[in-house]
Amino acid sequence: EAQVTQNPRYLITVTGKKLTVTCSQNMNHEYMSWYRQDPGLGLRQIYYSMNVEVTDKGDVPEGYKVSRKEKRNFPLILESPSPNQTSLYFCASSWGKGYNEQFFGPGTRLTVL
Amino acid sequence: GNSVTQMEGPVTLSEEAFLTINCTYTATGYPSLFWYVQYPGEGLQLLLKATKADDKGSNKGFEATYRKETTSFHLEKGSVQVSDSAVYFCALSDPSGGYQKVTFGTGTKLQVIP
Repeated sequence: EAQVTQNPRYLITVTGKKLTVTCSQNMNHEYMSWYRQDPGLGLRQIYYSMNVEVTDKGDVPEGYKVSRKEKRNFPLILESPSPNQTSLYFCASSWGKGYNEQFFGPGTRLTVL
Repeated sequence: GNSVTQMEGPVTLSEEAFLTINCTYTATGYPSLFWYVQYPGEGLQLLLKATKADDKGSNKGFEATYRKETTSFHLEKGSVQVSDSAVYFCALSDPSGGYQKVTFGTGTKLQVIP
């Protein structure tokens, strides 16, 4: 089944404790992206990647890191999480660029205390 | 920069009512436009898209027409069902940024009551 998977689905952590949210897709998509969803703000793009070893900042990259060492994986790293990073995070992938249909993962709900 | 403005929700309708959710945009270039839908507890999924002026995207009874002159992409459905209850997001991808960045609106929650 074609899908985007994210882990963990739920995470409660404390300020400053490094964490990684994994994202994997099995559709051989070049484009992958991370978004955060907050009430009243909709989805905002954090980082995106056009292909292996090619990543770039979205609209809200501060406090996040990403890497794209393999085509299928695009982990999101919070080196020192803070409470303002409490949010619902989505990973997405698509063939080619952003004008194509994006396939979204189920989301990761992160709470930073 | 690019932006997408959607009507604020929630929108509450009775079953079989007509639905319109407004979406307007600003973009540097000539963007591709999308409507995504998010059902409770799930990720987003593409509902429909349009890539050039006067294109009409349609799917599952929903339609939206790309209006370049009014920079709009309003979502419509003639007769909503309870199963259409979800959050709807308008989005754009701009060629001036190489179509690499995608900008979403804030989302409009639709509640359909029997």
